[in-house]
Amino acid sequence: DTEVTQTPKHLVMGMTNKKSLKCEQHMGHRAMYWYKQKAKKPPELMFVYSYEKLSINESVPSRFSPECPNSSLLNLHLHALQPEDSALYLCASSQDYGQGGGYTFGSGTRLTVV
Amino acid sequence: GDSVTQMEGPVTLSEEAFLTINCTYTATGYPSLFWYVQYPGEGLQLLLKATKADDKGSNKGFEATYRKETTSFHLEKGSVQVSDSAVYFCALLRDDKIIFGKGTRLHILP
Repeated sequence: DTEVTQTPKHLVMGMTNKKSLKCEQHMGHRAMYWYKQKAKKPPELMFVYSYEKLSINESVPSRFSPECPNSSLLNLHLHALQPEDSALYLCASSQDYGQGGGYTFGSGTRLTVV
Repeated sequence: GDSVTQMEGPVTLSEEAFLTINCTYTATGYPSLFWYVQYPGEGLQLLLKATKADDKGSNKGFEATYRKETTSFHLEKGSVQVSDSAVYFCALLRDDKIIFGKGTRLHILP
């Protein structure tokens, strides 16, 4: 298995809703990442988990709450989002944090906040 | 700080044309360099990589050579196909963080 699987692929939520994005990998990678990508822009790093511990939080608003239940799973809990949070949310993994071989990205969850 | 600059798009070519997408970087030391491709509606896929000077990364007919003297990592392909239409991101890995260029949108006409 050489993939990062993200669910759901599409999500529409209201500003008062609570939802979660899920990411799973079975490559034995020990680092996992959340990125946000707005239209026609490169991905922007949000969070880094290394060995199931939060290593980097790029000053992301608290309405985004990451969770790493185990080495294969990474969740992103969403609450009280704003319309400007609508974007493609990408999960990625790598063998280790900062490993030079490159990251494996999932296909993303396209989020629309209404 | 470290940065990646790539040519503005969109780039429009006819099928079987030669492709070059320019990428230059600013960084101290020798970062690893990557090209990622994003097809419409999808996430990013690693296309190729190079980890040291003069390394050549290649995949699916695409090539890029790590040029330390010109701090460049230009992407080339000898004969593009319609299926190559996508957004291409040049990136470097430095201090445990990937830094992406702004992306170049490529349109290939049949």
